[in-house]
Amino acid sequence: AQSVTQPDIHITVSEGASLELRCNYSYGATPYLFWYVQSPGQGLQLLLKYFSGDTLVQGIKGFEAEFKRSQSSFNLRKPSVHWSDAAEYFCAVGPTGGGNKLTFGTGTQLKVEL
Amino acid sequence: GAVVSQHPSRVICKSGTSVKIECRSLDFQATTMFWYRQFPKQSLMLMATSNEGSKATYEQGVEKDKFLINHASLTLSTLTVTSAHPEDSSFYICSAGESRDLYEQYFGPGTRLTVT
Repeated sequence: AQSVTQPDIHITVSEGASLELRCNYSYGATPYLFWYVQSPGQGLQLLLKYFSGDTLVQGIKGFEAEFKRSQSSFNLRKPSVHWSDAAEYFCAVGPTGGGNKLTFGTGTQLKVEL
Repeated sequence: GAVVSQHPSRVICKSGTSVKIECRSLDFQATTMFWYRQFPKQSLMLMATSNEGSKATYEQGVEKDKFLINHASLTLSTLTVTSAHPEDSSFYICSAGESRDLYEQYFGPGTRLTVT
């Protein structure tokens, strides 16, 4: 069965520091991979997605992610974190179970220290 | 970008009553809408997928008679929690997809349901 693991429940970084959020997946074929961000009281916003091609994907808000098939990973990175980046981040893989459904990881809560 | 709204954002209801949650796509036509449930500190769990004009497809373990989903138009889907009980208290999130890009879903802000 497809699954997504986000090993870090909470991460705290200082503003201006670099960030890497980990995501590992289990999937029987070439996956479609996504990173979403959820701020309190708001819906999930798509940061970036990987379908095929270049394994380094650029997203919005200065985020990027790299697909590493050998490691079954799709880690999210940002070179310099801003205080407004504090939020919950979800990695997702699809399609799962047929159609266009997504399977989400449990999320990583990012705290940014000023 | 595409915007999805949900109403209400918070609702408190008494045990045994029913509550309806609306999900609207504001600036695009959503041929497919998804309903998720999110428990504290946990992931989003897909409850059902609905296509406009068709019956919803429920995930295994989700009671279709308890969680009634209607997708009567290309911009509106509703989730009705019938005969709600305290264990139904949760955060419910909808998302919508356009047919031309099925793998990108636009999420609503969620509805916090508390059943007392």
